[in-house]
Amino acid sequence: EVHLVESGGALGQPGGSLRLSCAASGFAFSNYDMGWVRRAPGKGLEWLAVMSRSGGNTYYADSMRGRITVSRDNSKSTLFLEVNGLRAEDTAIYHCARLPSSLDYGDYSLYFDDWGQGTSVTVSS
Amino acid sequence: LMTQSPATLSVSPGERATLSCRASQSVTSNLAWYQQKPGQAPRLLIYGASTRASDVPVRFSGSGSGTEFTLTISSLQSEDFAVYYCQQYNNWPTFGQGTRLEIK
Repeated sequence: EVHLVESGGALGQPGGSLRLSCAASGFAFSNYDMGWVRRAPGKGLEWLAVMSRSGGNTYYADSMRGRITVSRDNSKSTLFLEVNGLRAEDTAIYHCARLPSSLDYGDYSLYFDDWGQGTSVTVSS
Repeated sequence: LMTQSPATLSVSPGERATLSCRASQSVTSNLAWYQQKPGQAPRLLIYGASTRASDVPVRFSGSGSGTEFTLTISSLQSEDFAVYYCQQYNNWPTFGQGTRLEIK
């Protein structure tokens, strides 16, 4: 069974940084593209970024480019998201998710076939 | 831009529910539907506009192409009351704002 568990959510200061982690199990992590999606209170889902299975190709949403960095450690089956320059509007539940795509080979089927429950980030002074 | 309607849909158990999703420009058939219950992870229901994901009951069906899409739940069960999102992946992913399906 696919299992994705996010951690690292916290109360962050405006202008600060947070690093979120997503521990994967139940599948061959290194064989899958992975992504991050968030949901702010009272709002819908927002895609943030996707990273190819090799880590060699990463794509960011225009709204977040320059403030977030995605990385992965395939040896530890873990995906990371670093958010810098925290703003109040970054307050959200952050989900990691698995994709059936193959970005390294030009398959951009960018929907999400398994998700974690999310980790909560609150930005406030 | 993905627009879902209605924002809230009230339906009785056993009845049919029809949820709509409209894209501002054609997304061909690159459209997915998700279900999310409070405190839970979203769950993929449909991809490719009409293909059911693994273990999704047959009462869930998707249709449409281009700019108009529909998710139909043929006979609502108690566990189906949730928020439903559509998402296009013809370009970088974007989601609709969701339809809350509530018990009438």
